[in-house]
Amino acid sequence: DQQVKQNSPSLSVQEGRISILNCDYTNSMFDYFLWYKKYPAEGPTFLISISSIKDKNEDGRFTVFLNKSAKHLSLHIVPSQPGDSAVYFCAASAGNQFYFGTGTSLTVIP
Amino acid sequence: DAGVTQSPTHLIKTRGQQVTLRCSPKSGHDTVSWYQQALGQGPQFIFQYYEEEERQRGNFPDRFSGHQFPNYSSELNVNALLLGDSALYLCASSPTGGSYGYTFGSGTRLTVV
Repeated sequence: DQQVKQNSPSLSVQEGRISILNCDYTNSMFDYFLWYKKYPAEGPTFLISISSIKDKNEDGRFTVFLNKSAKHLSLHIVPSQPGDSAVYFCAASAGNQFYFGTGTSLTVIP
Repeated sequence: DAGVTQSPTHLIKTRGQQVTLRCSPKSGHDTVSWYQQALGQGPQFIFQYYEEEERQRGNFPDRFSGHQFPNYSSELNVNALLLGDSALYLCASSPTGGSYGYTFGSGTRLTVV
């Protein structure tokens, strides 16, 4: 049973525009959420996190929004850069383990 | 400051064999978690070790076992390998408490033939 879902396997965006990656979850006990970026042949790299007591967290070009009532998480990248091209995973935790989505492959077109 | 180190980076094994993967956590981290990432999927939690004991386990068979040493490094052992065990195995370390500060290694790519 997939508790964290990323329904868009891929996304293409023009350089300079906004990239919006979405994530849905089913477990209302999740209280900590993260986004990871993964390049081929590398492990996931932490990008940004948000606790369930917040609805927004911002770090430079990256902003994560959390809508607890809708059980929905989104990552906004503004402005998008070619170096942002990677697979993005969202993950959620209610304790000691993380549940990951299947990833969204972002391509930023120069 | 070294991050999480995993060895080997790539491995090819024959069906039925046994394999051991190794992980050294980031400095200051004492908790190690193992994940399996099959092609096209997100990482799936195998288990977590803290204070040399398995603290939590995901939905994986007993063929998957682990160990944590006093220096916090960890091993993942898989017995009786199946073709379906082919995947990227990721180790993540974190400070005491488990969830916060998760840092992943680059993984070990295991191919079972």
